[in-house]
Amino acid sequence: KAGVTQTPRYLIKTRGQQVTLSCSPISGHRSVSWYQQTPGQGLQFLFEYFSETQRNKGNFPGRFSGRQFSNSRSEMNVSTLELGDSALYLCASSTDTIGSGNTIYFGEGSWLTVV
Amino acid sequence: GNSVTQMEGPVTLSEEAFLTINCTYTATGYPSLFWYVQYPGEGLQLLLKATKADDKGSNKGFEATYRKETTSFHLEKGSVQVSDSAVYFCALMTNDYKLSFGAGTTVTVRA
Repeated sequence: KAGVTQTPRYLIKTRGQQVTLSCSPISGHRSVSWYQQTPGQGLQFLFEYFSETQRNKGNFPGRFSGRQFSNSRSEMNVSTLELGDSALYLCASSTDTIGSGNTIYFGEGSWLTVV
Repeated sequence: GNSVTQMEGPVTLSEEAFLTINCTYTATGYPSLFWYVQYPGEGLQLLLKATKADDKGSNKGFEATYRKETTSFHLEKGSVQVSDSAVYFCALMTNDYKLSFGAGTTVTVRA
């Protein structure tokens, strides 16, 4: 069974540009969530989607957005990139995440560098 | 809100030593608790989990017990190997669809 797949794995962008990251969840998983990992802030929750609906959103500016498609694949977009957006962006999937302890599987991440 | 506090590292051990990483939490409701591990340049891998009080999660020689009375979920391994060198994250989830992570503990095991 394939794991969570994220593309691209590495990318370099210039300040002011925008970026789109893609995530394919494990087959059968309908919940997809995104996290940002930086040395200074650690792992921070961005947003979570289930059946194309955003159910929760973290404390990030509106430049960060996401969506989920009918096949459960998800994308996140960051517009007007800032140097501080340089991070590892992790996607995770699960059958559901309603406090039931369902196992949440993470992808390898997309390393974004903003120059 | 939910929060996780875990022992600061880095932790350096010799092979076959005993490892403990402390983790305490604050949560509304009844959280599920997790330990994730991250190897260099990789994503997060679930190491073990516990979904209710007194549950013990175990995997690859690692264990952690969900202690509601002390709001703790300490990770232990009796005999570490060089291959256990990684960053370990304690995390919790309630019914808000998100994981709240601790800051991570870097563990280095020397041969």
